[in-house]
Amino acid sequence: DTAVSQTPKYLVTQMGNDKSIKCEQNLGHDTMYWYKQDSKKFLKIMFSYNNKELIINETVPNRFSPKSPDKAHLNLHINSLELGDSAVYFCASSQGRLGPQQETQYFGPGTRLLVL
Amino acid sequence: RKEVEQDPGPFNVPEGATVAFNCTYSNSASQSFFWYRQDCRKEPKLLMSVYSSGNEDGRFTAQLNRASQYISLLIRDSKLSDSATYLCVVNPYNQAGTALIFGKGTTLSVSS
Repeated sequence: DTAVSQTPKYLVTQMGNDKSIKCEQNLGHDTMYWYKQDSKKFLKIMFSYNNKELIINETVPNRFSPKSPDKAHLNLHINSLELGDSAVYFCASSQGRLGPQQETQYFGPGTRLLVL
Repeated sequence: RKEVEQDPGPFNVPEGATVAFNCTYSNSASQSFFWYRQDCRKEPKLLMSVYSSGNEDGRFTAQLNRASQYISLLIRDSKLSDSATYLCVVNPYNQAGTALIFGKGTTLSVSS
């Protein structure tokens, strides 16, 4: 059973397009995250949601908009894609409570976005 | 000072070698620490949590030095399958549901 799943796995698109990435977790976790991993492999938080509420919104262009229809899903919509948006986007989830096990984040397989 | 710093490597070692990775973190209030592993073109996966007293999981030993704000990972008897990037990870806010801060990773290559 896949714990954290993302679709699509690969996304190739033109500059200026709008695209969405979907994420689902079946772990019963309360908190979900979006991370961006750039070409230098640096993994950086973009957003986190706890029980459908936004709790972290790092300095991310407002072209990026997360949406959480329920606590098992956190989707990422990107408007007006730019070349610099090319990266791997990882969704993750955790229990959302303190403690080593509770804070452990489980990652999806990633979505490789290439903007041409 | 960057929040979590690691030597990027690469560390190139033969099978059977012992190798150690170090990591420093900037927020002295941090309470939770982890090592994650990321294989090429894969997602990060938890390798082990790091406890104050140090902990061991098979060939892997993690240590925490709060006074120096320093975390280490020791891998004994390296296997080819240990080749990966090792990410030092810190929860700097001691709050539930906050994002973890990842170091840029240390790359290990084990050869036969």
